[in-house]
Amino acid sequence: GQNIDQPTEMTATEGAIVQINCTYQTSGFNGLFWYQQHAGEAPTFLSYNVLDGLEEKGRFSSFLSRSKGYSYLLLKELQMKDSASYLCASGDSNYQLIWGAGTKLIIKP
Amino acid sequence: DSGVTQTPKHLITATGQRVTLRCSPRSGDLSVYWYQQSLDQGLQFLIHYYNGEERAKGNILERFSAQQFPDLHSELNLSSLELGDSALYFCASRDGTSGRADTQYFGPGTRLTVL
Repeated sequence: GQNIDQPTEMTATEGAIVQINCTYQTSGFNGLFWYQQHAGEAPTFLSYNVLDGLEEKGRFSSFLSRSKGYSYLLLKELQMKDSASYLCASGDSNYQLIWGAGTKLIIKP
Repeated sequence: DSGVTQTPKHLITATGQRVTLRCSPRSGDLSVYWYQQSLDQGLQFLIHYYNGEERAKGNILERFSAQQFPDLHSELNLSSLELGDSALYFCASRDGTSGRADTQYFGPGTRLTVL
């Protein structure tokens, strides 16, 4: 079957680092996406991994291990504006995205 | 700004009514996806159109229908509305021509409230 798992909620401190994990089982895997969604707003694209390894983009990095069906999003130097939900989604062979339920990240001062 | 537009931004209606939500994809994007997101819930995939043709259906109710027109804009029709249909409805578009998992870009959404 197709399945995505990520933690429901995480809490971190401003200025710290947080890692949000995602595991997936997807037929015809075609890449792993991370999106950020602030409450009541649209999801916005953060990163895409299709090969194993780490992709770094400023304060945000995303890692993929295809053999383990595992990805993580690493957020450094956390800011209050990073309080949001982070959605993990895997692409399948039909160019659909299988979405996780999202991880709500709460940043405390 | 993602380049995807949705109208209206807000819609308040009564149970039993019918509404139409409109989406214009990014210039050049052939694929349009519709999603429903209820309060504090994840994204639920409804339907996918590519260049005017239906490509995939998710958990879309029979009371809901959609189409994509020759100019590539799409409409989602919701009928016999129930209280539980109150949600954010997002449209997303992607290029769809490169043969790989292109990024989906989301519109701002339509917030539907059924009273």
